[in-house]
Amino acid sequence: TQLLEQSPQFLSIQEGENLTVYCNSSSVFSSLQWYRQEPGEGPVLLVTVVTGGEVKKLKRLTFQFGDARKDSSLHITAAQPGDTGLYLCAGGGADGLTFGKGTHLIIQP
Amino acid sequence: DTAVSQTPKYLVTQMGNDKSIKCEQNLGHDTMYWYKQDSKKFLKIMFSYNNKELIINETVPNRFSPKSPDKAHLNLHINSLELGDSAVYFCASSGWGHSFEQFFGPGTRLTVL
Repeated sequence: TQLLEQSPQFLSIQEGENLTVYCNSSSVFSSLQWYRQEPGEGPVLLVTVVTGGEVKKLKRLTFQFGDARKDSSLHITAAQPGDTGLYLCAGGGADGLTFGKGTHLIIQP
Repeated sequence: DTAVSQTPKYLVTQMGNDKSIKCEQNLGHDTMYWYKQDSKKFLKIMFSYNNKELIINETVPNRFSPKSPDKAHLNLHINSLELGDSAVYFCASSGWGHSFEQFFGPGTRLTVL
């Protein structure tokens, strides 16, 4: 069974600060995705990375896939209250998609 | 315009009852899924289904059964509901060759009393 560990589990910071969320595994994934979920809604896909070492930017969000395709990070620059939510990483492999347990992010104004 | 829709949004029922949750996607995707999200927000896959294959997570009780009348629909039937079944259930779909990218429905909050 492939497992994904996310850290930190909870993070509360002030508006304007930077932060990084990590997603780690001992397994290799063919692709890795990041989702954001807001209360009362389903997760929404933010990005997919498929190549080891790949870096993708989405406005203030930077996503990186590890060289060995076992880990990923999400970096948010100058966080805003609208970034508040549950961030989930998910790895794709032979068994389908495996989700991490999520990082609860709160950005305080 | 909704890509993946689920009904109902909320479902409150008594222990022992049988209930169904409906899911429809208009994205033309080949594969549909059911997930369970517990109170700690852990999202766990229950089933994945396309017109060729049903894959069942081995930890899912056989009281849960997916039923697909056609490619755009995957309903979830639950028999003999138990207190531990209380959770939010999400339907999702993905297209072939898109790295399993999931498009989720809005969720159904099931409360078993």
